[in-house]
Amino acid sequence: DAGVTQSPTHLIKTRGQQVTLRCSPKSGHDTVSWYQQALGQGPQFIFQYYEEEERQRGNFPDRFSGHQFPNYSSELNVNALLLGDSALYLCASSSPGGLQETQYFGPGTRLLVL
Amino acid sequence: AQSVSQHNHHVILSEAASLELGCNYSYGGTVNLFWYVQYPGQHLQLLLKYFSGDPLVKGIKGFEAEFIKSKFSFNLRKPSVQWSDTAEYFCAVNAREAGNMLTFGGGTRLMVKP
Repeated sequence: DAGVTQSPTHLIKTRGQQVTLRCSPKSGHDTVSWYQQALGQGPQFIFQYYEEEERQRGNFPDRFSGHQFPNYSSELNVNALLLGDSALYLCASSSPGGLQETQYFGPGTRLLVL
Repeated sequence: AQSVSQHNHHVILSEAASLELGCNYSYGGTVNLFWYVQYPGQHLQLLLKYFSGDPLVKGIKGFEAEFIKSKFSFNLRKPSVQWSDTAEYFCAVNAREAGNMLTFGGGTRLMVKP
């Protein structure tokens, strides 16, 4: 039973470029959440996708956008990269649990913006 | 908006010592509470979770946590740590009325000396 997978594992970009990160949820899960983890900090919620729609969004600018596909996999896109976007980007998947939902995390994509 | 505080940023213990990591949150409504662990070079893994019922929750690897509603706390404990417990520990809160986003604390880095 595969867990949450993410690609690529590492990425180096320059300021102003655009990046796309990918996530496949755990088998049986249909909800995907994205988090940004800066060095030395806890993860911060970016947004969550369910039924191919953005269901909830954290305090991130419109440069951060996403997509969910019919097979429940998801992409995170970041436009006009800034140095401060350098971080570990985590994907978490879950199945709808009403008020009791547990999120399971992937290994992350480490993005370095130069 | 909810917030989570982990007051101990770094903890160093010898093997067999007892562990207690503090976690306090600020939110007046109903919450789900989680502890995640990130071992060196590995991804975030769920240690334990609280949704309702018995406020003393047991997780994997001998960890437990106690939800004290009056203190807005969810401290993590282990009676006797091992060198393999060296990791970073994150407390996370989901405020039920705020959707399914997780709000994380800043993490506690635990080092266990053999």
